[in-house]
Amino acid sequence: DGGITQSPKYLFRKEGQNVTLSCEQNLNHDAMYWYRQDPGQGLRLIYYSQIVNDFQKGDIAEGYSVSREKKESFPLTVTSAQKNPTAFYLCASSIGKNIQYFGAGTRLSVL
Amino acid sequence: GDSVTQMEGPVTLSEEAFLTINCTYTATGYPSLFWYVQYPGEGLQLLLKATKADDKGSNKGFEATYRKETTSFHLEKGSVQVSDSAVYFCALSTGAGSYQLTFGKGTKLSVIP
Repeated sequence: DGGITQSPKYLFRKEGQNVTLSCEQNLNHDAMYWYRQDPGQGLRLIYYSQIVNDFQKGDIAEGYSVSREKKESFPLTVTSAQKNPTAFYLCASSIGKNIQYFGAGTRLSVL
Repeated sequence: GDSVTQMEGPVTLSEEAFLTINCTYTATGYPSLFWYVQYPGEGLQLLLKATKADDKGSNKGFEATYRKETTSFHLEKGSVQVSDSAVYFCALSTGAGSYQLTFGKGTKLSVIP
């Protein structure tokens, strides 16, 4: 089955630690995205990538970093500079500017 | 900038009741409009979409019509079921070179038997 796989489902971060969230897709989509979801809020775009080896900042990129070395993969690193990382993180992909398809999400909490 | 405003929830309905969730938008150009649904603990799924004025998107008994004159895209369903309990998000894409979706804050729907 084609789809988007995010791992882990739950992740805990200690103070000063960087953590990496995985996102893999086998839909052969060119574009991939990372969103952050906070309770009672809509989704806010962190980063997106239109093609391999290229990515752009979204609305809330500070404290996050990404890479796009392979078409299938778009990992997100939450760095220690992100002071309020507790949230639900969603990865999505699309063919060009078409419909975005979402993974099941990773819930990040701070210990 | 672009923005989407949804009615605030939570909304609680009895099974078989009529559902309306209001959505209005502000955007430059001619946006495409979407409704996504999020079931508890899951990611978002596309429910329906409309790409131009007067288009009606429909899926699983849900409908929404793209009204340019009122900048609205209200979600409706004639008879809700318990399985429709979820959070519903209205979103827009301005296309025209933009990859970004702009989301509303979401409306939580609970349907009770």
